[in-house]
Amino acid sequence: KNEVEQSPQNLTAQEGEFITINCSYSVGISALHWLQQHPGGGIVSLFMLSSGKKKHGRLIATINIQEKHSSLHITASHPRDSAVYICAREYGNKLVFGAGTILRVKS
Amino acid sequence: EPEVTQTPSHQVTQMGQEVILRCVPISNHLYFYWYRQILGQKVEFLVSFYNNEISEKSEIFDDQFSVERPDGSNFTLKIRSTKLEDSAMYFCASSAVAYEQYFGPGTRLTVT
Repeated sequence: KNEVEQSPQNLTAQEGEFITINCSYSVGISALHWLQQHPGGGIVSLFMLSSGKKKHGRLIATINIQEKHSSLHITASHPRDSAVYICAREYGNKLVFGAGTILRVKS
Repeated sequence: EPEVTQTPSHQVTQMGQEVILRCVPISNHLYFYWYRQILGQKVEFLVSFYNNEISEKSEIFDDQFSVERPDGSNFTLKIRSTKLEDSAMYFCASSAVAYEQYFGPGTRLTVT
């Protein structure tokens, strides 16, 4: 059983839409990471969360430790946001990755 | 802005050959990691390294794999005898204590 589940697997949005990607995990964590993988393959860390909420520009990440659930929100989406968004749980000295959500934002 | 670098960007090798993938982590980081991503699949943890020793490894990281920090800057992943199923993108990452991980651009390994 995959310890990190993401939904949806694929998401197509119109430019300007508010986007939500969800992540659930089944075991304890020390932190929850959101990462972005570009079409060329490069991986960029967006957020590292252990509680509450973080905001960076148009991106917002929230986590509910009791429900073992996190969400990534993108406000006023733009075609340049098109990428794979990956949730990963951190436990000990490693990350366990979800399968990713493929986001396409159309202009 | 400091970044993690990896060389080569693409390595093609024959089955059974040894390969060494190289990484230069961010200079003041203390934790180092290797991950791999088989085409079309999710990213998988291989190994973490701290204070000149392996701190955690996955079941993928068997006796065919080894890591080394031969000097103060490089961090290498060696695969002793490559198999077809080792073909993947290999990512190096580094982090300071309790901070986000910074990923390198990856090395695409193709085993023929």
